[in-house]
Formats: sequence, structure tokens, C-alpha cells
Amino acid sequence: DTEVTQTPKHLVMGMTNKKSLKCEQHMGHRAMYWYKQKAKKPPELMFVYSYEKLSINESVPSRFSPECPNSSLLNLHLHALQPEDSALYLCASRNFIGGLRETQYFGPGTRLLVL
Amino acid sequence: DAKTTQPNSMESNEEEPVHLPCNHSTISGTDYIHWYRQLPSQGPEYVIHGLTSNVNNRMASLAIAEDRKSSTLILHRATLRDAAVYYCILRDSTGRRALTFGSGTRLQVQP
Repeated sequence: DTEVTQTPKHLVMGMTNKKSLKCEQHMGHRAMYWYKQKAKKPPELMFVYSYEKLSINESVPSRFSPECPNSSLLNLHLHALQPEDSALYLCASRNFIGGLRETQYFGPGTRLLVL
Repeated sequence: DAKTTQPNSMESNEEEPVHLPCNHSTISGTDYIHWYRQLPSQGPEYVIHGLTSNVNNRMASLAIAEDRKSSTLILHRATLRDAAVYYCILRDSTGRRALTFGSGTRLQVQP
């Protein structure tokens, strides 16, 4: 199983809502990532978890709150978002074995619209 | 990650070979060259990677220049399903475990 799943596929939320994005993988990967992709732009890194601990936060606003409850799950909690946060949110995972040769596996993304 | 330069877009005809170039003149000796592609409405997917020697897999071939300052992704027979944005990425040895995507090349395949 080389699949990364993300739910929901689409999400519409108001600026006062609280919602969560979920990502799951069962490949035994111990590094998991959140990327943000605006329309017609490349993905940009938001967060990296290594062995369930946050290792990289790319100066993301606190209205985005990541969580890694176990080695298979990654959540992104959203609160008081702005319309400019509308984007495709991609989750990815990677194994550590192999170092720089290791590839990342991406989920299909959650398309978020903030009204 | 060191910077890469790719053409914004390329066009190909179905069942013809496609050569997607990437320049990486500041590559260091330990940087791996990775290619990912992103099909419409999907997340990126791994295509191929290499260090010094040319590489082949079931999806594509990667030709790496002798001085490693450039590389070319080769799709041997383009299909309509190969229409995507192709990203050339250098993975460096400084410990950053994420991918830094450049702007990529949008490949259009005509029937």
C-alpha cells in the first residue's frame, strides 16, 4: 500500500469556523509533511513532522495548527482563516531509510475555500 | 535546496518522445536530482531521481550531463495522460527533509 489519503477532498468554511484536515498513511513512514499550493503555483512547505515531533515550521500563522497523534496520522487544525488561505493543502510522507534518495508520497490534497 | 531552472511550458505530440530540460548550475557534489510531476487535480508524484549516472525506470529516463549542471527527463512515448507540470528538484545534504519546488514545466500533449 503506497497510498496517502486525505479527507475531506473539498472544504468550504467561514472565517469564524474551526475545521480540521486529516491525512493518513500506512507505509510505516516516519516523516510527514503539510504543503500549501495556491492556484497555478508550486507547492510550498508548511510543516514537517519527524517521528511524530514537529521538526520544521515554515513561519506559518498560528491559525494553522498541526498535530501528529501517531505515526500514521497527521492533522491540520484550522481556525479563523482568511480568504487568502484558500488553496490546495497537500499531505506527504517519506521514509528515512535511504536519505536523499528517498521519495515523498503525496496525497490528492484537500481543496479549501474560505469565505 | 539549490535552484533549478526549467522552461515554463512545452508541447508534444502523442506517441512522440519528450525531452524536458532542467538547469542546475549551482549543484553540489552530494545533491540528488529528483523529478516529480503533478497531474491536473492531483498531488505531485515521484517520477525518477539520479546522482551522476543516467537512470531508467518504467515511467521515464533521466539523462545527467557529465558536469551535472543540467539534466533532461525523457518520456519515450508521450501519452495524453502525461500532460502535467514536471518539477526538477535538487535534494541537498544539509538536512532539510522537505522538497523545494520550483515553477516547473507545464507539458501539453496533443493528440
